[in-house]
Amino acid sequence: GQSLEQPSEVTAVEGAIVQINCTYQTSGFYGLSWYQQHDGGAPTFLSYNALDGLEETGRFSSFLSRSDSYGYLLLQELQMKDSASYFCAVREATGGFKTIFGAGTRLFVKA
Amino acid sequence: DVKVTQSSRYLVKRTGEKVFLECVQDMDHENMFWYRQDPGLGLRLIYFSYDVKMKEKGDIPEGYSVSREKKERFSLILESASTNQTSMYLCASSKPGQGAAGTEAFFGQGTRLTVV
Repeated sequence: GQSLEQPSEVTAVEGAIVQINCTYQTSGFYGLSWYQQHDGGAPTFLSYNALDGLEETGRFSSFLSRSDSYGYLLLQELQMKDSASYFCAVREATGGFKTIFGAGTRLFVKA
Repeated sequence: DVKVTQSSRYLVKRTGEKVFLECVQDMDHENMFWYRQDPGLGLRLIYFSYDVKMKEKGDIPEGYSVSREKKERFSLILESASTNQTSMYLCASSKPGQGAAGTEAFFGQGTRLTVV
């Protein structure tokens, strides 16, 4: 079956760098995505990695190692507004390319 | 501005009732999804559809059915609501295909369903 593992909670201080890891076990893997969800809000897309390596988008970067079935989201220059839940998600190659989500990592940013 | 709209933000239903959750997207996306979100469990896929009248079961389809008669609308049906179906339900849509296109899912604001 498929599974995704990520830490349940991470705490960091404003201005710091934090890394949220995700390991996955799945079949027909196409890529790893990251989503952010603030309390009471809808998940919003942050990034997608289909190939090994680092993708950078502003303060956020995402990394993938297909051989290790591992990826991470890196958040730099943390701000209070980054306090949210972060989900890794795997895109599988079924008939409709469904997306399976991890349980989420709750990030607390302290002043 | 792209939009996925769910018909209700909050819903309270009685045990045994038939419940319809509606979702409409205006992006002409082929793929549509229904998830439920529970604390500590993340988002779990109930059903998805990659074309009109096409549907596939996700990880937790028991007690649910879906309908996709038109491309823009994807309905989730609880045939006989039970208290363990109390949850936040999220609808999403995306483009098909590999690579960058089709990897971003757009979510609705969610329907918080309480079954009493």
